[in-house]
Amino acid sequence: EAGVTQFPSHSVIEKGQTVTLRCDPISGHDNLYWYRRVMGKEIKFLLHFVKESKQDESGMPNNRFLAERTGGTYSTLKVQPAELEDSGVYFCASSQDRRGETQYFGPGTRLLVL
Amino acid sequence: AQKITQTQPGMFVQEKEAVTLDCTYDTSDPSYGLFWYKQPSSGEMIFLIYQGSYDQQNATEGRYSLNFQKARKSANLVISASQLGDSAMYFCAMREGNSGGYQKVTFGIGTKLQVIP
Repeated sequence: EAGVTQFPSHSVIEKGQTVTLRCDPISGHDNLYWYRRVMGKEIKFLLHFVKESKQDESGMPNNRFLAERTGGTYSTLKVQPAELEDSGVYFCASSQDRRGETQYFGPGTRLLVL
Repeated sequence: AQKITQTQPGMFVQEKEAVTLDCTYDTSDPSYGLFWYKQPSSGEMIFLIYQGSYDQQNATEGRYSLNFQKARKSANLVISASQLGDSAMYFCAMREGNSGGYQKVTFGIGTKLQVIP
C-alpha cells in the first residue's frame, strides 16, 4: 500500500511568488491534515479536511494560504504571495479514523522563500 | 503556555543502552491521546507509539515504551537497547478534542537523539 506522498520535495521561490504544494493521502483515508515546521520550532497544525470539507482550519496563518481538497482525494496548499517567514517544511498526514489516533505522515515539502 | 514541552534539545546514548526522552503536556480535556513520532535524517515522520488518556497500562511497541504518568502530565518515551538506526529527531505530540468531535494534534519541538557506537 502506498503511503502519503507529497510533491514537490523541495521548492525554492522568491518572495512574492506563488507556490502550490500537493499531498496525496493514503487511499481510503478521509482525514487529511496539513502541518508546518518552521526552522527550530515545533510542528504546527494548519488544517484538517474530512473528505472535501474543511473541518478545522484554525491553524492557517493568514489569508495568503489556501488549501483545497476537491473530490476528497488529493489536497493542495497554495501560498500566494509567499513571504520569507513562510519558509519551512510542510507536512501532510492522513488517517482513517476521525479521532486521528494514528496519522501517517508524508515526507514533507521543504519550502525556501528568498 | 505550551501544550507539549520537550526539554531536551539533544541527547546522546551508547549503543545497546536504554534512553528516556522527556515529554510533558498541558490539557484540560479529560480525553486525549499522546504520541511519539520519529523523524530520521531522510525527513519522513514515522509513528512509533500511542497512549490514550484512559488507558490503564503503559503503551509498548517493541523496543519502545511510553512511561505515562497522568498526575504529573508526563509521557516519556523509553527506547531500550538503542541501535544506531535510532539516531533521529523524536517528537512528542498530543491530540485533544474540538467542538466538532474531531481532533487535531499538537507537537513538541523535538529531541535530537544520537546513538554512539
